Amino acid sequence: EPEVTQTPSHQVTQMGQEVILRCVPISNHLYFYWYRQILGQKVEFLVSFYNNEISEKSEIFDDQFSVERPDGSNFTLKIRSTKLEDSAMYFCASSGTGGHQPQHFGDGTRLSIL
Amino acid sequence: QKEVEQNSGPLSVPEGAIASLNCTYSDRGSQSFFWYRQYSGKSPELIMFIYSNGDKEDGRFTAQLNKASQYVSLLIRDSQPSDSATYLCAVTNTGNQFYFGTGTSLTVIP
Repeated sequence: EPEVTQTPSHQVTQMGQEVILRCVPISNHLYFYWYRQILGQKVEFLVSFYNNEISEKSEIFDDQFSVERPDGSNFTLKIRSTKLEDSAMYFCASSGTGGHQPQHFGDGTRLSIL
Repeated sequence: QKEVEQNSGPLSVPEGAIASLNCTYSDRGSQSFFWYRQYSGKSPELIMFIYSNGDKEDGRFTAQLNKASQYVSLLIRDSQPSDSATYLCAVTNTGNQFYFGTGTSLTVIP
C-alpha cells in the first residue's frame, strides 16, 4: 500500500537554527498538509497545499514557517529560526483528488530544539 | 475558534464489549468527519470517515453523524485488546483546514 514517507525521523537542532522537514506524499495525491503535535497534546493543523500554493494556514503558521514543493515528489516544511516551543512531532499528510478525502499520515518527524 | 471536543477518558471496556466514543464540534458548517486511531508515539491512522447524517458501518466499526446536534460518534463492536489506543475525531468545513479533538484514550481489558 502506498505510504507517506517523512525524513528524518528525529531532528535535534539548536535554538535559532533553521530546519527543513521533508515529506514524500503518496504519488497520485494532490493535497498536502503539515500538522504538529506537542507531546501529550492534540494534533494541530499548520498548513494545506494544493496546486503549488498554500490553500489555508493556521495561526501557528507564522512568518517563521514556509512550505515548498521543490520537485514532483517532495514536500518540505521549513522553520527559519527555531524556538524551544517548536519542539513537537511534525506530521505530513496527503489526500487524493478532493480536499474532503481522507488523509494519509506519514510516521512523523520528532523535532527537538535545544 | 472552531472547537472539536472529545472526552479524554480513559475509557475502559472489557474484551468483546462495545466501545462508544463521542465527539462534538462547534462549526455548524463542518462537512466531513474523520476518526483516526493513534497508538502512543505513532502517527494517526484513518479508521473511518463520514459525510452524511446517519450511520456508516465498516467491519467492527460504525460511525454515526448527527449534523443537527453537531456530534459524531464511533462504535467499536467486539472490542479487542489491540483496539487500545487514543481515538481522534477530526472535522473540516472547507477540506483545506482540519480540526482535531484531543482524543479519547481507550483501554480494552482482556
